[in-house]
Amino acid sequence: DAKTTQPPSMDCAEGRAANLPCNHSTISGNEYVYWYRQIHSQGPQYIIHGLKNNETNEMASLIITEDRKSSTLILPHATLRDTAVYYCIAKMNRDDKIIFGKGTRLHILP
Amino acid sequence: KAGVTQTPRYLIKTRGQQVTLSCSPISGHRSVSWYQQTPGQGLQFLFEYFSETQRNKGNFPGRFSGRQFSNSRSEMNVSTLELGDSALYLCASSEPFSSGTEAFFGQGTRLTVV
Repeated sequence: DAKTTQPPSMDCAEGRAANLPCNHSTISGNEYVYWYRQIHSQGPQYIIHGLKNNETNEMASLIITEDRKSSTLILPHATLRDTAVYYCIAKMNRDDKIIFGKGTRLHILP
Repeated sequence: KAGVTQTPRYLIKTRGQQVTLSCSPISGHRSVSWYQQTPGQGLQFLFEYFSETQRNKGNFPGRFSGRQFSNSRSEMNVSTLELGDSALYLCASSEPFSSGTEAFFGQGTRLTVV
């Protein structure tokens, strides 16, 4: 699985868009970019995933660069409940093994 | 539908004992994966089961084992517990080989070894 690199922590003001970057320069052509988050003391929660095109769902948007070497998760209107550790993962759809890195600890400031 | 259920939620064991943790996946999901989370090592993959067969395995010693039953429920066992096995153990279920194989995680079992 491709290794991903994320900043260890980020701050975002409540109500603003939170933009979480992820580098995955060694991603292979059949690996998807997945995002999960883990709120304190809970199991990780799936957010979104994509291959090449930008994706949007009710939780977030995922912007993948054209060369697929990096991506950005966007939480459009961050709330205090979005405070969590966010994990960016590159994996093939047919492989159910998820390799977690250290993620980004997102602090939402009131 | 009901989510992933892990039992027990909390457990305290003594060094040298063994422990069995249980995971009931979402109905219809046939793949179950197990993870260990510690402050020092983060989330680490233990193993994954599909249709009662271990399909993937992480880098953990043989003291860590698992199995899956015909109803997809899974158990993991840790023998000869060590202090370092204290961790949050998480299981995740998914529908394998579908177009969006997002995994759904349980709340975890917090194991403390004393």
